Order: sequence, then C-alpha cells, then structure tokens
Amino acid sequence: KNQVEQSPQSLIILEGKNCTLQCNYTVSPFSNLRWYKQDTGRGPVSLTIMTFSENTKSNGRYTATLDADTKQSSLHITASQLSDSASYICVVSGGTRAGNNRKLIWGLGTSLAVNP
Amino acid sequence: DTAVSQTPKYLVTQMGNDKSIKCEQNLGHDTMYWYKQDSKKFLKIMFSYNNKELIINETVPNRFSPKSPDKAHLNLHINSLELGDSAVYFCASSQTQNSPLHFGNGTRLTVT
Repeated sequence: KNQVEQSPQSLIILEGKNCTLQCNYTVSPFSNLRWYKQDTGRGPVSLTIMTFSENTKSNGRYTATLDADTKQSSLHITASQLSDSASYICVVSGGTRAGNNRKLIWGLGTSLAVNP
Repeated sequence: DTAVSQTPKYLVTQMGNDKSIKCEQNLGHDTMYWYKQDSKKFLKIMFSYNNKELIINETVPNRFSPKSPDKAHLNLHINSLELGDSAVYFCASSQTQNSPLHFGNGTRLTVT
C-alpha cells in the first residue's frame, strides 16, 4: 500500500535552534519527493522537490535529503525563526495511475511551533 | 499579484443547499486541481484538469461537479450539501504533473 508517514507529529523548539523532520514512504514506483510548508489559514507552499537521483536539495535555511534505498527523507531547518511555525508536509509522487498521471501521496504533516 | 485565487474565502450554508467555489490562476499553468483538507489536516485530491480536460476524478460523490471554462479557471459546484462536506477546499495549479503545485489560500466551507 502506498503510504507516507511523517514524524514527529508535532514539535516545539526555541527560536534560533535547528530541527529535523522525518518522512518515510512506501510508494512504488517512485517519481519524486516534495516538501511543502503550510501556514495556518493558507495553502501549502512548495519548499523542495527531489527526484530519484538527488540526495540533497536546499532552499534557504531548509535542506531536504532523500535516501531512495531506505525510502526516507528528512527536512532540516537551520537557525529557526518564528515564521517557521507551520505544518510541514511530505508528498511522494508515484504509485500507479493510468497514463502519465502520477499519484501524489500526501503525509499528514509535522506541526512545528517555534517559540521565542 | 495573487497567483492562484479562489473565492469565497469563507462559505457558511445549510444542508441541502447548492454552492459554488471559483478558482483562477494567472501563472499560465496547464493543470489545475481541487483538494479537500479535512479536520485532521489531511489533503485529499478530488479532481484534476489538464487544459480544460478532466484527467483525475477520485472517488468523490457526484454531488461535486468541477467545471473548467478555460485553462485558467476551475470552478467547483456542490449540490445538496451535507454536514460531512464541511472542510477547507484548496485549488491548485502546476505547469506539468511533475512540477510543484501552487495553491490558493483555501475556501472554508461550513455546512450547518
């Protein structure tokens, strides 16, 4: 069964600290893995998208890693800011669908709170 | 300039009513989507259109009918609203199916 599991479910850190969010998936065939940030009351915003051959990708203070062998990804946030408080969602493109329409399998997200 | 805009932002209505949510994107993308986010924050695909043509239609009650008058617009009409339809509905677009999705800010639908 195609699944995306994220941990922890929620996390509280102090401003300025680093943190790492985890994503494990059981999606096959695999096309790409994405991380989105969703602020409260807003739509998700894309942070990174990685294909099978990429094992790390950065977007400012956000760095995503991908291990396609173990089917794990992580999102590392450096020097956290109050504005990083949001839900971070891991999404895997793959599975099966007719034609070229890959499925997007969404995780439930990690809720991050950055406190001053 | 808002890339993906959807209206209204809030919609409160009674059971049995019919309502529509509109979505427009000015990114020139070919593909548009409707997602439903429930109270547990899980995002679930409902429909996807590519250049006005329906390409994804997940298991959604036929009370939900998407309409794409052109590739920049994808509206969602809901008939005979039920309590369980209460959720946040997100419109999104992407250049290709392997491109990142650009989301609107959602329409919070409350059915009483």
